[in-house]
Amino acid sequence: EAQVTQNPRYLITVTGKKLTVTCSQNMNHEYMSWYRQDPGLGLRQIYYSMNVEVTDKGDVPEGYKVSRKEKRNFPLILESPSPNQTSLYFCASSPRGSATEAFFGQGTRLTVV
Amino acid sequence: AQSVAQPEDQVNVAEGNPLTVKCTYSVSGNPYLFWYVQYPNRGLQFLLKYITGDNLVKGSYGFEAEFNKSQTSFHLKKPSALVSDSALYFCAVRARSGGSQGNLIFGKGTKLSVKP
Repeated sequence: EAQVTQNPRYLITVTGKKLTVTCSQNMNHEYMSWYRQDPGLGLRQIYYSMNVEVTDKGDVPEGYKVSRKEKRNFPLILESPSPNQTSLYFCASSPRGSATEAFFGQGTRLTVV
Repeated sequence: AQSVAQPEDQVNVAEGNPLTVKCTYSVSGNPYLFWYVQYPNRGLQFLLKYITGDNLVKGSYGFEAEFNKSQTSFHLKKPSALVSDSALYFCAVRARSGGSQGNLIFGKGTKLSVKP
């Protein structure tokens, strides 16, 4: 089954404790991205990657890091999480080309206390 | 700046009645246009897209959307709403070319509530 898998689905952590949210897709897509969803703000892009070893900042990259060492994986790293990073996070992938729709993971609800 | 507007935070409809969820955009050129739906505790699911051609696009679950270039709008419609259509709907656009090719810009979402 074609899918984007995120782990974990839920995470509660403390301020400053490094964490990684994993994202993996099995569709051989070139393009992957991370979004955060907050009430009243919709989805905002954090980082994206157009292919292996090619990453770039989205609209809200502060406090986040990503890497793209393999085509299928695109982890999101919070080196020192803060409470304002409490949010619902989505990973998405899509094939090359602007006309293609994106496939989304199930989401990771992160709470930083 | 490129943007997508969904002017209604919430749309309430009675089951069986037609529904419309509005979307307007401000993106240079002729962007690709998308609608996604999000059910509670789920990721976003693709509904339909406009690439080119006929201004009326048909998608999943009986939804359709009408592209209007002069009004830069892409409203989502369904002739007869179901209670199960209750969800959060997002309009999104993507530029056809440029350095950020692939970057989806989302509206803030519209919560659709269909009452029996």
